[in-house]
Amino acid sequence: QVQLQQWGAGLLKPSETLSLTCGVYGGPFSGYYWNWIRQLPGKGLEWIGEISHGGSIKYNPSLKSRVTISTDTSKSQFSLHLSSVTAADTAVYYCARGYASGTYTDYMDVWGKGTTVTVSS
Amino acid sequence: DIQMTQSPSSLSASVGDRVTITCRASQGIGIYLNWYQQTAGRAPELLVFAASSLQSGVPSRFSGSGSGTDFTLTINSLRPEDFATYYCQQSHRTPYTFGQGTRLEI
Repeated sequence: QVQLQQWGAGLLKPSETLSLTCGVYGGPFSGYYWNWIRQLPGKGLEWIGEISHGGSIKYNPSLKSRVTISTDTSKSQFSLHLSSVTAADTAVYYCARGYASGTYTDYMDVWGKGTTVTVSS
Repeated sequence: DIQMTQSPSSLSASVGDRVTITCRASQGIGIYLNWYQQTAGRAPELLVFAASSLQSGVPSRFSGSGSGTDFTLTINSLRPEDFATYYCQQSHRTPYTFGQGTRLEI
């Protein structure tokens, strides 16, 4: 049973960089797209971006200037970095596995438990 | 971006009822439409992918239909564990976008 375990700092000050990592356990890292999604307080879900095992990356244009997603295939891990955070970035951040029949995610079938990130001075 | 609009935003029902949730896309997305269930404090879980394919392990009382711009999720014979928030999501084009959610309440 594939599991995603995510970790990273949960409390940041404005202008700092959010850094989260998601580890893939019990299943292959290759052949999938690896996604980050966030959920703003009391709100819906916002897709942040995805990366393939081979390094193909797509970002949400709304965050593209501040986001970097990367992989460490040797450790079956992928990471999210979001720079210059503000209170508006306070959210629960999820990592998720994307099943892909082509060159992008068709659906996200395995999710991490989520990391609550609070940005406050 | 493709806008996804769900209706209703909230829905009251009882155990044993049949309910239908609608999702409309701002442009045609074929069958690139997925449904997720989220219970309080937990991550979303995939229910239906490609508009009508049931994810492995999901009870058969859940079903999805539609194509193009209009989609539905139907839950037959509601059980207590079905009271949650449901989201549709399009994967036709990035950025992937979600509906605002439908909260199913007792």
